[in-house]
Amino acid sequence: DAKTTQPPSMDCAEGRAANLPCNHSTISGNEYVYWYRQIHSQGPQYIIHGLKNNETNEMASLIITEDRKSSTLILPHATLRDTAVYYCIVRVGFQKLVFGTGTRLLVSP
Amino acid sequence: DGGITQSPKYLFRKEGQNVTLSCEQNLNHDAMYWYRQDPGQGLRLIYYSQIVNDFQKGDIAEGYSVSREKKESFPLTVTSAQKNPTAFYLCASSIDRGTDTQYFGPGTRLTVL
Repeated sequence: DAKTTQPPSMDCAEGRAANLPCNHSTISGNEYVYWYRQIHSQGPQYIIHGLKNNETNEMASLIITEDRKSSTLILPHATLRDTAVYYCIVRVGFQKLVFGTGTRLLVSP
Repeated sequence: DGGITQSPKYLFRKEGQNVTLSCEQNLNHDAMYWYRQDPGQGLRLIYYSQIVNDFQKGDIAEGYSVSREKKESFPLTVTSAQKNPTAFYLCASSIDRGTDTQYFGPGTRLTVL
């Protein structure tokens, strides 16, 4: 599995966009980038994933650089309920999800 | 409602006792997983099952056992051989081995006294 690097914590004002970066410089050509988040004492929640192209769903947008060595998860209008730990994971095929320590996002009023 | 259920939410046991954690899914998923999470840490894979009557060890299988007799159920037994069983246990499932997206249950917090 490719390793990922995320900042340990970030702050965001409510209503503003939250941009969470992730470095995955050793990613292979067929490895997907996945994002999950975990609200305190709950199970992780799937957010979005992508391979090469940028992706958007009802929760977030995923921007992957052209060289695929990094990506950014964008929460366009952060709310207090988005306060959580966000995990960036790369994997291919049937593999275990390797969760690091993620980025703790704090959304403040 | 479709989803993954884990019960109970909180579980207390005395040291030396085996305990079984329940995980049920009605998503018709083939693959199921058990993870362990310690405070401030990421998740670590204990066991996974790609299909009924088949399962494989993950990274930290020692002291744990599982069964997969039914597609919808994947119980985890924490045995007395597990040296540090107090943790948050998470069950997940995915459609099949070719699908990467895993969906998680709410977790069971096990405390061994």
